[in-house]
Amino acid sequence: AQKITQTQPGMFVQEKEAVTLDCTYDTSDPSYGLFWYKQPSSGEMIFLIYQGSYDQQNATEGRYSLNFQKARKSANLVISASQLGDSAMYFCAMRELLYNFNKFYFGSGTKLNVKP
Amino acid sequence: NAGVTQTPKFRILKIGQSMTLQCTQDMNHNYMYWYRQDPGMGLKLIYYSVGAGITDKGEVPNGYNVSRSTTEDFPLRLELAAPSQTSVYFCASSYPDRGRETQYFGPGTRLLVL
Repeated sequence: AQKITQTQPGMFVQEKEAVTLDCTYDTSDPSYGLFWYKQPSSGEMIFLIYQGSYDQQNATEGRYSLNFQKARKSANLVISASQLGDSAMYFCAMRELLYNFNKFYFGSGTKLNVKP
Repeated sequence: NAGVTQTPKFRILKIGQSMTLQCTQDMNHNYMYWYRQDPGMGLKLIYYSVGAGITDKGEVPNGYNVSRSTTEDFPLRLELAAPSQTSVYFCASSYPDRGRETQYFGPGTRLLVL
């Protein structure tokens, strides 16, 4: 079974609007971490935001927030006030903190296009 | 700090050739990783290391070997290149922080096997 599933291969959003990128995960580990990365067309991987499975509040980093719904095993990324520079691939990733501590699992990504 | 550096940036190999992808980090991170990214896909973990002298397999280790003789360097070796190894290879490093740590990625090496 896929550890990380991103069901939106591509999305469009109008500049200055908010957009939600979906991510669901599968784990039996009671302790895990969830990450979002951005990959612009230049190819580098840029860390955006982290959510721990025991964190009580949803993580926020500037215009990025993570909508964490533990019971549904979802960790959606919300980008507020989209900018043209947000156009990129976005990857959701998970690390299991007990069973496979040293392994990160990545989803297949969502390509976001921000329209002016 | 240069962060994570990778060489070469791009390489074309013939089937059956060997090569080493170099990765160096100057942040004194204990953990280092090698990933491959196939077109339109996410990253898959090839090998990782938790410190000098300690390496272990990831999700897709077949056809690759690694070594970690120093904290800074984590080279990835392809012994007999195959077309299926055409991919972009990313090296990353991190410092353990109860699982919260951020991975710092290198710029990637694009490999084409013909």
